[in-house]
Amino acid sequence: DIQMTQSPSTLSASVGDRVTITCRASQSTSSRLAWYQQKPGKAPKLLIYDASSLESGVPSRFSGSTSGTEFTLTISSLQPDDFATYFCQQYNSYWTFGQGTKVEIK
Amino acid sequence: QVQLVESGGRVVQPGRSLRLSCAASGFIFSNYAMYWVRQAPGKGLEWVTIISYDGNIKYYTDSVKGRFTISRDNSKNTLFLQMNSLRAEDTAVYYCARDLRVFWSGYPNYPMDVWGQGTTVTVSS
Repeated sequence: DIQMTQSPSTLSASVGDRVTITCRASQSTSSRLAWYQQKPGKAPKLLIYDASSLESGVPSRFSGSTSGTEFTLTISSLQPDDFATYFCQQYNSYWTFGQGTKVEIK
Repeated sequence: QVQLVESGGRVVQPGRSLRLSCAASGFIFSNYAMYWVRQAPGKGLEWVTIISYDGNIKYYTDSVKGRFTISRDNSKNTLFLQMNSLRAEDTAVYYCARDLRVFWSGYPNYPMDVWGQGTTVTVSS
């Protein structure tokens, strides 16, 4: 099974900050990696797939990148609506989620 | 609009059975593979199972193999999850979700692009 390790588990930031969340896979996922945003009591929302492809309707301040088995979600300028929990997910071998990163107000 | 609406969640005793449903609308249901994903209270997301667009391919996470069965009725645009021999560790919000691409047949895999609001299953005596 492919394990996904996400860091940090919690991140405190202010509106306007550049935010970076990292996810490391235990083995190659062939860039089959997605990022989701989840707000309390709501379903997850797909942000990025195939490591760097922006889902339709998602603001361009969200971007994804990869270097080997390490994946990064970047929010270029944090907005009030972005305070939420973010999950990575590999889908190369079945489907496995990271444990999540909560982005909270500093 | 594209919508998924789950139902059937409730409190159930350990060892009992429960059937969840997911009603789809706003898209051609029979073209898409569908998932069930769960989230235990205060925890992360866990993929549970997937069924191909035609119902011929089904995969399960190890912890539910032999206990849970996914199925679909394309004539009624409805997805199901039959859960037997329920355990306390099955307590979670269960989401149904749609595959990003049409006509998934085993590989390559894709992520989930449309999610329902979830239905809560509590396994407790």
